[in-house]
Amino acid sequence: QVRLVESGGGVVQPGRSLRLSCAASQFTFSNYPIHWVRQSPGQGLEWVAGISYDGTEEYYRDSVTGRFTISRDNSKNTVYLQMNSLRSEDTAIYYCARDRAPMTTTYYFDYWGQGTRVTVSS
Amino acid sequence: SYEVTQPPSVSVSPGQTATITCSGDTLGDKYVCWYQQMPHQSPVMLIYQDNKRPSGIPARFSGSNSGNTATLTISGTQAVDEADYYCQTWDRGTTSVVFGGGTKLTVL
Repeated sequence: QVRLVESGGGVVQPGRSLRLSCAASQFTFSNYPIHWVRQSPGQGLEWVAGISYDGTEEYYRDSVTGRFTISRDNSKNTVYLQMNSLRSEDTAIYYCARDRAPMTTTYYFDYWGQGTRVTVSS
Repeated sequence: SYEVTQPPSVSVSPGQTATITCSGDTLGDKYVCWYQQMPHQSPVMLIYQDNKRPSGIPARFSGSNSGNTATLTISGTQAVDEADYYCQTWDRGTTSVVFGGGTKLTVL
């Protein structure tokens, strides 16, 4: 069964940085794009960033462009989200999610991790 | 920016059919995906490419998309179907991933 496990969340002050990790298993990781989707407390889902299967293309929502960086290490079956200059509005549960199709980016998500909580507060 | 709109809540009696809509400008020209999120759990894909079900998703879940509205239909709704439901699409024009605000389904 496809498995995605996020880690790295925590409480951080505004303006500081945090790096999230998403460890994948039980599928051919290097064939699939991976995305980060967040959910603020009591709110809906919001796509944050995505990366192509080979890591050559990165995609971001406008509000995190220039602050967040997505990357992947296919030798470690892991995707990362480096979050800099964090703001209170970045407070959310961050999920990593697998793109539905291999070798192409469809922006639809067939498997999700359990999420890691990020709280930005002074 | 592109937006899609869902009703905040839908109620249905057990055994009846629940219909959840997702509206957006020319949404029928895009693919729509539906997710179910149980309380305190991660989302689960129910429908992709408007009307396709991933393996393991019960046949009582179905989808359609035409014009400005996509619809998730749950036939023979069960108490276990109480959850939040989100539609999602990708707008090529703005290269943005768009989620609806979510619909809370109550089975009563």
